[in-house]
Amino acid sequence: DIQMTQSPSSLSASVGDRVTITCRASQDITSYLAWYQQKPGKVPKLLIYAASTLQSGVPSRFSGSGSGTDFTLTINSLQPEDVATYYCQQYNSAPRTFGQGTKVEIK
Amino acid sequence: EVQLVQSGAEVKKPGESLRISCKGSGYSFTSYWINWVRQMPGKGLEWMGTIDPSDSYTDYSPSFQGHVTISADKSTSTAYLQWSSLKASDTAMYYCARHHGDYWGQGTLVTVSS
Repeated sequence: DIQMTQSPSSLSASVGDRVTITCRASQDITSYLAWYQQKPGKVPKLLIYAASTLQSGVPSRFSGSGSGTDFTLTINSLQPEDVATYYCQQYNSAPRTFGQGTKVEIK
Repeated sequence: EVQLVQSGAEVKKPGESLRISCKGSGYSFTSYWINWVRQMPGKGLEWMGTIDPSDSYTDYSPSFQGHVTISADKSTSTAYLQWSSLKASDTAMYYCARHHGDYWGQGTLVTVSS
């Protein structure tokens, strides 16, 4: 199985800050990576697929980058509504493993 | 409008069987695989397995293989997740999601308690 490791596990930032979350795969997954946002008590929401393609309707302050084994989710200008847990998921091969999640809070 | 609508919350006893459902609408059900994802209380997302509704081909995570069964009925555009013998550790929220992760069901909370 491909292991997905996110860092940090949690972070606290101020409104307007730039936030970066990293995701590392245990082997090459080319660009088969998605990022999800899950707000408390809500269903996960797809933010980015193919490592850097923004899902329709997602604010442009979210962006993704990377390929191979190292990936990044960036939130430019953090907003209060971005408080959530963020997960990466590889879909290069089954099982389609998720990272352990990164909880983002407002300072 | 694409929708995945899951069956309602369930409360079961250890050892009982259960089948939960996920009904797709607003798109060609056989054109997209359906994934099942588990989220235990306060924990992260775990990919359980997937099914191709066009031919019912399935692929399971080794962590869930043998403990759950995924099936689909293309005549009713419904995917299923079932257990033959529940354990307390199966207590979780279960989500179905379209293959690309773009649409998710609302989740089904399964509680297993004696």
